[in-house]
Amino acid sequence: SSELTQDPTVSVALGQTVRITCQGDSLRSYYASWYQQKPGQAPVVVIYDKNNRPSGIPDRFSGSSSGSTASLTITGAQADDEADYYCNSRDSSGVSLFGGGTKLTVL
Amino acid sequence: EVQLVESGGGLVQPGGSLRLSCAASGFTFSSYEMNWVRQAPGKGLEWVSYISSGGITIYYADAVKGRFTISRDNAENSLYLQMNSLRAEDTAIYYCARVRSSRYYRASDYWGQGTLVTVSS
Repeated sequence: SSELTQDPTVSVALGQTVRITCQGDSLRSYYASWYQQKPGQAPVVVIYDKNNRPSGIPDRFSGSSSGSTASLTITGAQADDEADYYCNSRDSSGVSLFGGGTKLTVL
Repeated sequence: EVQLVESGGGLVQPGGSLRLSCAASGFTFSSYEMNWVRQAPGKGLEWVSYISSGGITIYYADAVKGRFTISRDNAENSLYLQMNSLRAEDTAIYYCARVRSSRYYRASDYWGQGTLVTVSS
């Protein structure tokens, strides 16, 4: 079955740029969506479709895709961005997939 | 304001059943696809099931296929998840989520706060 693979942990210095990646065959056909989850809270979508941000999501969050890899970039990371990030996509059979998640630490 | 409120979670013995509900408000429920997503304690997100706006198209994760049934009542603005033959590994917070999609993506744009299901003897 399809899978989405993420690095388990990523760190970034305050104010620097970080890229979180997600790999999977389904990403060749479908865009990923990205979710931020803080401890004890429900996930919040930060990027969906090609590179759309819901209202209220800062413009330092952006998404991109190339081949089987989708990326979430945070330009000028803030302390408040420290969280778990999950990618998500559908596949050609209709089922949805989540990546294993990336824990982002802001130093 | 979009609101999704899950209910029906609790403690159940292995092999037992539980029915989760999700009450939707603040949007035209009948126009939106919906997802159930779960998260085991200390683990990542796991997609469980999807239902189209009219309830015709349904998908399940392999881990729950044949045991769980998703349904909806558009007149009542409610989404359901009937869970049978529950196992310890089904222990998780269960979230309902509104879906927005096109032919190129499917995303969950609003989430409830979740309901905890614990399967244990």
